[in-house]
Amino acid sequence: QITLKESGPTLVQPTQTLTLTCTFSGFTLGTTGVGVGWIRQPPGKALEWLALISWNDDERYSPSLKNRLTITKDSYKNQVVLTVTNVDPMDTGTYYCARIVIPAAPFDYWGQGTPVTVSS
Amino acid sequence: DIQMTQSPSTLSASVGDRVSITCRASQSIGNWLAWYQQKPGKAPKLLIFKASTLQSGVPSRFSGRGSGTDFTLTISSLQPDDFATYYCHQYKTYSPFTFGQGTKLDI
Repeated sequence: QITLKESGPTLVQPTQTLTLTCTFSGFTLGTTGVGVGWIRQPPGKALEWLALISWNDDERYSPSLKNRLTITKDSYKNQVVLTVTNVDPMDTGTYYCARIVIPAAPFDYWGQGTPVTVSS
Repeated sequence: DIQMTQSPSTLSASVGDRVSITCRASQSIGNWLAWYQQKPGKAPKLLIFKASTLQSGVPSRFSGRGSGTDFTLTISSLQPDDFATYYCHQYKTYSPFTFGQGTKLDI
């Protein structure tokens, strides 16, 4: 059974760094083609892809946020971590992690999401 | 970036209706198109990938078609559980991935 679960702070102050962790089970990031990505959703708005890390350590980022994002993986702990620097109220929303199998399939398994509010 | 445009933004329908949602890509994406269903407070659920392949466990009343730039999601006979928001997603170029703006299907 494949599961993913996001964790991190629910409230962050503007200009701080947000660190989110995705802990997964039922698959390994060492398998060829497998990746884990982060997608966020501001309240009442559409989904926005943020970052992806693949089995071969390839990292991809949304061009509009590239300078503020870092994605890393710990294959032994089955975790993927996303950091977002210099947060702003516009970063408020629900953050999801999801598995992808490149190139065959899109994000097929998703975590439940973790809400983040950026406010002073 | 490849832009994905869905229409309509909202769709009102009744149980038993046949409905379709369209998604247009700003450039050709082949058949690298997925559809998701999202209910309030829940994560998106994958319905269809590669434009027309039904994800395991998804009811056969859902179908997808299209290639290149124009795609359609059809629900053949709406059930009460189908009222939700639907998103298209292109994964042809995985940098960057993009989603449509969503179509809210309500009663």
